[in-house]
Amino acid sequence: EAQVTQNPRYLITVTGKKLTVTCSQNMNHEYMSWYRQDPGLGLRQIYYSMNVEVTDKGDVPEGYKVSRKEKRNFPLILESPSPNQTSLYFCASSFRTGVTTDTQYFGPGTRLTVL
Amino acid sequence: DAKTTQPNSMESNEEEPVHLPCNHSTISGTDYIHWYRQLPSQGPEYVIHGLTSNVNNRMASLAIAEDRKSSTLILHRATLRDAAVYYCILRVSGLSGAQKLVFGQGTRLTINP
Repeated sequence: EAQVTQNPRYLITVTGKKLTVTCSQNMNHEYMSWYRQDPGLGLRQIYYSMNVEVTDKGDVPEGYKVSRKEKRNFPLILESPSPNQTSLYFCASSFRTGVTTDTQYFGPGTRLTVL
Repeated sequence: DAKTTQPNSMESNEEEPVHLPCNHSTISGTDYIHWYRQLPSQGPEYVIHGLTSNVNNRMASLAIAEDRKSSTLILHRATLRDAAVYYCILRVSGLSGAQKLVFGQGTRLTINP
């Protein structure tokens, strides 16, 4: 089944403890992206990747890192999480970079709480 | 980012048609109109998209005004499973790599049994 998977689905952690949220897609998609969703602010893009080893900042990149070493994986790294990073995170992917008609497929979400 | 305006919420009854409006008065000639929806506790999912002509797929229809300043997502026979937040999004062409979807607040659709 074609899908975007994220792990973990739920995570409670403490300030400053490094964590990684994994994202994997099995559709050979070129483009991958991370969003966060907060009440009243909607979904906002954190980082995106146009292909392997090509990443760039989205609208709210502060406090996050990403890497794209393989086409299928796009992990989101929080080196020193803070409470303002408590949010619902979504990974998304689409087949081609730069094609605005391509559908974006979203993962099920990761709910992160930073105490 | 091009802006869209949608009602905050709408309500309808099961098995009746639903028309979800979206205004996008600043749309440019090459912007595509996309609709996504987010079911409770799930990630957004694609519904439909169009440029100028009306579009149909198995999920919904998209009616685009002649001047393209507004569009309407039509669910022909709503079911309880269609209860979700529906987002109308303009996809801007020509931005290499910047395929972010700019989500507004969307319309929360409630379906009554």
